[in-house]
Amino acid sequence: DGGITQSPKYLFRKEGQNVTLSCEQNLNHDAMYWYRQDPGQGLRLIYYSQIVNDFQKGDIAEGYSVSREKKESFPLTVTSAQKNPTAFYLCASSMGGLYGYTFGSGTRLTVV
Amino acid sequence: ELKVEQNPLFLSMQEGKNYTIYCNYSTTSDRLYWYRQDPGKSLESLFVLLSNGAVKQEGRLMASLDTKARLSTLHITAAVHDLSATYFCAVESSNYKLTFGKGTLLTVNP
Repeated sequence: DGGITQSPKYLFRKEGQNVTLSCEQNLNHDAMYWYRQDPGQGLRLIYYSQIVNDFQKGDIAEGYSVSREKKESFPLTVTSAQKNPTAFYLCASSMGGLYGYTFGSGTRLTVV
Repeated sequence: ELKVEQNPLFLSMQEGKNYTIYCNYSTTSDRLYWYRQDPGKSLESLFVLLSNGAVKQEGRLMASLDTKARLSTLHITAAVHDLSATYFCAVESSNYKLTFGKGTLLTVNP
């Protein structure tokens, strides 16, 4: 079955560490997205990519980095520069608006 | 910058009652999405509204889109406990970015 897979489901980070969240899709979608969700804030766009080897900053890109070396993969690195990384992170992919967006199951990141 | 406002943010309903959630957005768009989220879970797609006047219904939920008024509504008919969740609207801008409202936490009480 086609879908979008995020791993790990739960992740714990120590202060000053970089961590990488994985997002893989087998839907042959061109566009991929990373969102952050905080309680009462809705979802906010971190980065998005509409084609391999190209990506754009979203609304809250500071402290995050991404790469898009393969169509299927769009990993997100939360760097030590992100001062408040504890949140629920959701990855999504899309073929373009007519077909909607598919979301992964999410990664819950906690700073310890 | 596209802004999306949902109201109410919190909604407590009795079973069997009807209610409407509103989603206003600030710039022109022809594509609007409604999602449901259960606690700790991902987003489940409910409706994709692609043109002015679009109306879609699934069970006790009906969504509509008025692009001229920049308004979408999600109407709940005869609410049941299983509808308790957080509902988000999201608007797509011309460069295929989705901007979300803050969500409406719906609680349906017996």
